[in-house]
Amino acid sequence: SQQGEEDPQALSIQEGENATMNCSYKTSINNLQWYRQNSGRGLVHLILIRSNEREKHSGRLRVTLDTSKKSSSLLITASRAADTASYFCATDAWGNEKLTFGTGTRLTIIP
Amino acid sequence: NAGVTQTPKFQVLKTGQSMTLQCAQDMNHEYMSWYRQDPGMGLRLIHYSVGAGITDQGEVPNGYNVSRSTTEDFPLRLLSAAPSQTSVYFCASSYRKQGPNTEAFFGQGTRLTVV
Repeated sequence: SQQGEEDPQALSIQEGENATMNCSYKTSINNLQWYRQNSGRGLVHLILIRSNEREKHSGRLRVTLDTSKKSSSLLITASRAADTASYFCATDAWGNEKLTFGTGTRLTIIP
Repeated sequence: NAGVTQTPKFQVLKTGQSMTLQCAQDMNHEYMSWYRQDPGMGLRLIHYSVGAGITDQGEVPNGYNVSRSTTEDFPLRLLSAAPSQTSVYFCASSYRKQGPNTEAFFGQGTRLTVV
């Protein structure tokens, strides 16, 4: 079964607005990562946050992690048409060598 | 850098046929894995390897075999294709599974249709 589930499944916003998507997971983790997938392409790594970190920034991306709620959020500020893609969270755990992905959020930026 | 290279990009098989999906990486990554992606299901792990000579099963291993004879290559074999194996397959690699460099690099995918 999937370790992570993203919410919402789909999101459409106007260009320039902020986009927020959430990831919930089931078991304790070591790292949580976010990936982007453009249509018909492979996944591209965006950002990694460790279990002892609460927030991380990279350019227009802001990721938060709440291990007590087993959840993470990805915020994309000042969205652009090029941000249109599917976004996935992925987790790994100590002693478990598997990287497990969620079901993804499909983000559409309306020009 | 080539990164992770998957071949072929597209393939149509008849039920019962066998084939091998190729995956090669040139980053000297220890960890390699295969996923399948189906609509609404996200990515599901098929098999993975933490180094040459070591493989293990993921979430959906049935119907697939793997081997890891070299660090660079991690082929995925379908012994007897079934329509349920129609999917997009992704190979990924990363430098070290449990450590600071756990970013995974993905190939461009193989779109497989079994008729």
